[in-house]
Amino acid sequence: GQNIDQPTEMTATEGAIVQINCTYQTSGFNGLFWYQQHAGEAPTFLSYNVLDGLEEKGRFSSFLSRSKGYSYLLLKELQMKDSASYLCAAGDSNYQLIWGAGTKLIIKP
Amino acid sequence: IAGITQAPTSQILAAGRRMTLRCTQDMRHNAMYWYRQDLGLGLRLIHYSNTAGTTGKGEVPDGYSVSRANTDDFPLTLASAVPSQTSVYFCASSDSSESYNEQFFGPGTRLTVL
Repeated sequence: GQNIDQPTEMTATEGAIVQINCTYQTSGFNGLFWYQQHAGEAPTFLSYNVLDGLEEKGRFSSFLSRSKGYSYLLLKELQMKDSASYLCAAGDSNYQLIWGAGTKLIIKP
Repeated sequence: IAGITQAPTSQILAAGRRMTLRCTQDMRHNAMYWYRQDLGLGLRLIHYSNTAGTTGKGEVPDGYSVSRANTDDFPLTLASAVPSQTSVYFCASSDSSESYNEQFFGPGTRLTVL
């Protein structure tokens, strides 16, 4: 079957670094997406990885290991506005996105 | 219009009633999607359309129908609503369903079925 696993909730301190992990099992693989979703709002795109390695974009970085079926999102210099849910999604052989349940990130001052 | 719009923003509906959720995009994207999002669960695909005139079933299609008469509009209809259809519904679109598939989301419709 197809499955995405990520932690339900994480807590971190303002100014710190946090890593949100995601493991996936899909029939075929066409890229790994990370989205941010603030409470009561729509998901918005953060990053995309299709090759192994690290993609850096400002304070956010995303890593992919295709052989391990593993990705992580790294958030640096955390700000209170980063409090949100972070959704991991993998593209399957039909290019449909399979979504994880999301990780709720709580930032404390 | 900029991006994707959905209507209504929220709705309370009596069980057994028919309801259509509207979705319109102005990005000329080929592919469109309907998801439901429930607490503790990931986004679940209800129906999708890879291009105008075609539709397909997702993971949870029962009780829902869609149509794609043109590129811009992708309405979702609940023929006879049931309480288990209480959820937040998101419409999304992407430029292509056959390659890099970044999806853009509408603001959502919060539906309560009593």
